[in-house]
Amino acid sequence: DIQMTQSPSSLSASVGDRVTITCRASQTISTYLNWFQQKPGKAPKLLIYTASSLQSGVPSSFNGSGSGTDFTLTISSLQPEDFATYYCQQTYSTPRTFGQGTKVEIK
Amino acid sequence: QVQLQQWGAGLLKPSETLSLTCAVFGGSFSGYYWSWVRQPPGKGLEWIGEINHSGSANYSPSLKSRVTISVDTSKNQFSLKLTSVIAADTAVYYCARLGRQDYWGQGTLVTVSS
Repeated sequence: DIQMTQSPSSLSASVGDRVTITCRASQTISTYLNWFQQKPGKAPKLLIYTASSLQSGVPSSFNGSGSGTDFTLTISSLQPEDFATYYCQQTYSTPRTFGQGTKVEIK
Repeated sequence: QVQLQQWGAGLLKPSETLSLTCAVFGGSFSGYYWSWVRQPPGKGLEWIGEINHSGSANYSPSLKSRVTISVDTSKNQFSLKLTSVIAADTAVYYCARLGRQDYWGQGTLVTVSS
């Protein structure tokens, strides 16, 4: 199985801050990497697919980058609605493993 | 607009079988993999498995011995069965179509308790 490791597990930030979340795969996955946002009591929502492609309707403040084993999700200016938990997921092979999540909290 | 609607029993006793079904409305049923994902209370997402319209399925190795995902193309539905459930199987279970666009069911909280 490919293990996905996110860091940090949680972070505190203020509105307007730039936030960076990293995801590392235990082996190369090319750009087969998705990023999801999840709010309490809701299903996850796809933000970024194939590492850097922005899902339709997702604000341009979200940016994904990386390839191989190292990936980054950046929120350029944190908005109140961005406080949530973020997950990466590899789709290179099965099982299509998720990272453990990064909770973005209000400072 | 693709919509997924899921249903199944929410309270099980240890050793019973979890059974959930997900119906797909709108869009094409063929040409995609249909997935099940679960989330224990307060914890992260776990991929359970997926199936396509032809019935080709992939499973998480950690659950493979207990999981069966099946498809009924005549009804645009797919189902999850998890046998011999234990307390650690307590979670919100989601059906989903994952890809360049994602669609999710509403989630079903399944509680395993004696």
